[in-house]
Amino acid sequence: DAKTTQPTSMDCAEGRAANLPCNHSTISGNEYVYWYRQIHSQGPQYIIHGLKNNETNEMASLIITEDRKSSTLILPHATLRDTAVYYCIVRVGGATNKLIFGTGTLLAVQP
Amino acid sequence: ETGVTQSPTHLIKTRGQQVTLRCSSQSGHNTVSWYQQALGQGPQFIFQYYREEENGRGNFPPRFSGLQFPNYSSELNVNALELDDSALYLCASSDILLETQYFGPGTRLLVL
Repeated sequence: DAKTTQPTSMDCAEGRAANLPCNHSTISGNEYVYWYRQIHSQGPQYIIHGLKNNETNEMASLIITEDRKSSTLILPHATLRDTAVYYCIVRVGGATNKLIFGTGTLLAVQP
Repeated sequence: ETGVTQSPTHLIKTRGQQVTLRCSSQSGHNTVSWYQQALGQGPQFIFQYYREEENGRGNFPPRFSGLQFPNYSSELNVNALELDDSALYLCASSDILLETQYFGPGTRLLVL
């Protein structure tokens, strides 16, 4: 079972920041938080990941709370092309590097 | 674009048949994972291959099998197809050390 919970859907106005929350209250100390997105049945696209510290790349920022029980993905200036299902995943540790997906958040960017 | 390619893009089979799906990993990646995504669901982990050996398996029956070749490309084989096998099949490649998985575009399988 997925170790994360996310809202089913969210709306965001084009040009505004999109803040996507994720709860992962049972995360273990050595487990990473990963974010992927999937646009209309294409393959999931990697966005960003982190362990404890906040992370930023050219696509997004990831804010992880100090207790690591929740995180927020921030798309600073959402565009219509950012409309997608966003998956927050806690990557299970161990010998097998597998991703356990939940149902994700459908982000709809409105013009 | 991730550099991970899959073939074919679409496939139609009938119940009871067998199917082989193919995946070429991104350059420099030595690990391939396969996922099944039913309509409206998140992807489900099938199995992973590293150095031509199965390196972990999800909750899928033995009729789902795979191979990895010396060039790190991979095949997913499904025998005795059932209607519920209709799904998008995704492969993802990664480096066993760096671990971030990059997905291909998927193969959409329809079983009639």
